[in-house]
Amino acid sequence: DIQMTQSPSTLSASVGDRVTITCRASQSVSGWLAWYQQKPGKAPKLLIDKASTLQSGVPSRFSGSGSGTDFTLTISSLQPDDFATYFCQQYIAFWTFGQGTKVEIK
Amino acid sequence: QEQLQESGPGLVIPSETLSLTCTVSGGSVSTHYWGWFRQPPGKGLECIGYTSNGGRAVYNPSLQSRATMSVDTSKNQFSVKLTSVTAADTAVYHCAKWRGYGFGLGPWGQGTLVTVSS
Repeated sequence: DIQMTQSPSTLSASVGDRVTITCRASQSVSGWLAWYQQKPGKAPKLLIDKASTLQSGVPSRFSGSGSGTDFTLTISSLQPDDFATYFCQQYIAFWTFGQGTKVEIK
Repeated sequence: QEQLQESGPGLVIPSETLSLTCTVSGGSVSTHYWGWFRQPPGKGLECIGYTSNGGRAVYNPSLQSRATMSVDTSKNQFSVKLTSVTAADTAVYHCAKWRGYGFGLGPWGQGTLVTVSS
């Protein structure tokens, strides 16, 4: 199995902050990497796939980058609605997920 | 807007079979792929597998011997059965749509908690 490791596990930030979450794969996944947002009791929401393709309706403050084994999700200016848990997923070899990064209010 | 909703028993007895259904509204299960996922308390998401209408299901190797998925186009639903459950199968179970190779997963259902306990 390809292991996905996210860091940090928890991130404290304020509205307006630039936030970066990293995801590292145990072996290359090329660009087959997706990012999701999940709020408590809600369905996960696909934000980005193919490492950097923003989904329709997702605000442009979200961006993704990387290839191979190292990827980042960046929120350029954190908004109140962005406090949530974010997780990455590789889909080159079946599907495995990162453990998640909780973005909380500082 | 396409929406998915999981349903099924919230409590399953050890050694019995867990059965869940995902109902799709605003879209059709006749096309694309449909997956099941679970998240045990305090742990990350795990894929159980995915299937399509008329296609072969693909399962996580760790669950392949116990999992079965199917699609019911007459009810616009798809389902999963997991046999011989233990406490380790306690988790929030989610269903999701997969558009195919190259795409991420979505939309998702909000999930349903299944507890395995006597």
